[in-house]
Amino acid sequence: SAVISQKPSRDICQRGTSLTIQCQVDSQVTMMFWYRQQPGQSLTLIATANQGSEATYESGFVIDKFPISRPNLTFSTLTVSNMSPEDSSIYLCSVEGNRAETQYFGPGTRLLVL
Amino acid sequence: KQEVTQIPAALSVPEGENLVLNCSFTDSAIYNLQWFRQDPGKGLTSLLLIQSSQREQTSGRLNASLDKSSGRSTLYIAASQPGDSATYLCAVVNYQLIWGAGTKLIIKP
Repeated sequence: SAVISQKPSRDICQRGTSLTIQCQVDSQVTMMFWYRQQPGQSLTLIATANQGSEATYESGFVIDKFPISRPNLTFSTLTVSNMSPEDSSIYLCSVEGNRAETQYFGPGTRLLVL
Repeated sequence: KQEVTQIPAALSVPEGENLVLNCSFTDSAIYNLQWFRQDPGKGLTSLLLIQSSQREQTSGRLNASLDKSSGRSTLYIAASQPGDSATYLCAVVNYQLIWGAGTKLIIKP
């Protein structure tokens, strides 16, 4: 299994500002995923980040709003830009396990935008 | 430190059976508890969310219970179908999600 840590664990931010969330994995992985869970809703995939290439964004998510970095095989960042209260969510980092059907999730970053 | 355990790790049953998945946690100071379903190659689907003040939630054939005092939650699936085959995860939420390892469920036609 993979051990995933995220920073910060939570934050309260003012609208219009940006927050960068870090995800660190204890092993090298090819694919990392970023999700968000808005209050009362299911997890939604934001983008897939492969090391050495640009992230692939899901419908409804754009790079200008959620820029992602993937500098190496154990680390990624997700920035939530120009935040609004609608961005208040839990943001989760995830990696694929050794078996294709498994995924491991980080503890999440709880973001509140005022 | 909160720890979440799911039992069993895997379960295979014939179609039509009623079944129970278990989730236990060590710290009763939780905000809520969520049950998710994970299908191969897909993201997570949230099934049920139980607030800390609630004792159960129902959605269709699914019923989730929460007993904070004993640190336990169960997910009851009625009249199981092959389409229910997936990995079921529970997550305890304080300000972060603490995940169980999941129960891999196979429903045999």
